[in-house]
Amino acid sequence: QVHLVQSGAEVKKPGASVTVSCKASGYAFTTYFMFWVRQAPGQGLEWMAILNPRDGNATYTQKFQGRVTVTRDTSTNTVYMQLSSLRSEDTAIYYCARSPRRLGAYFDYWGQGALVTVSS
Amino acid sequence: QSALTQPASVSGSPGQSITISCTGTSTDVGHYNYVSWYQQQPGKAPKLMIYYVSDRPSGVSNRFSGSKSGNTASLTISGLQAEDEADYYCSSYAFSSTPYVFGTGTRVTVL
Repeated sequence: QVHLVQSGAEVKKPGASVTVSCKASGYAFTTYFMFWVRQAPGQGLEWMAILNPRDGNATYTQKFQGRVTVTRDTSTNTVYMQLSSLRSEDTAIYYCARSPRRLGAYFDYWGQGALVTVSS
Repeated sequence: QSALTQPASVSGSPGQSITISCTGTSTDVGHYNYVSWYQQQPGKAPKLMIYYVSDRPSGVSNRFSGSKSGNTASLTISGLQAEDEADYYCSSYAFSSTPYVFGTGTRVTVL
């Protein structure tokens, strides 16, 4: 059974960094792309990044370029998303979601989400 | 790349059918058959309901169906049930520097 289990809620001050983890199980880790999607309170979904677990290559949406870094550890089947220079507008739930493909991605399993609160 | 446009809310009575639209452009919805739909219950992660415009994952009720015409995709829920009350988001692949775009979201209310 496929599971994506994310780390817990975080509270950070403006300017700090946060790392959210996503541990995958129940499938061949390197055969699915991993996406990061965030959802601000009461708002819609926003794509942030995509990781190819096979080679560790990550692509980021322009909005987060320079602030977000996605990595993976194939020994533990875990993907990490680090967001730096946090501001209040980064307060959101951060989801990892897997896709069987990059072109024409669709997200068949999601993590439970990790709430990141940025507040002074 | 702007978000795809969905109606803010759609409502229907139990047993009725409703349709949620998702309007994009010729560079996303109109260009690719890569539209997917997600259901999000309050406080939960999104759940895949439809992919590739009209394919249904195993375990998703056949009351949910998808279609596309031009730049607009649609999700139809037939035989509306109380458990269908949720937010629904469409998503499309886009010929853009931001190749993955979501819709603005639609709140479905069962009257």
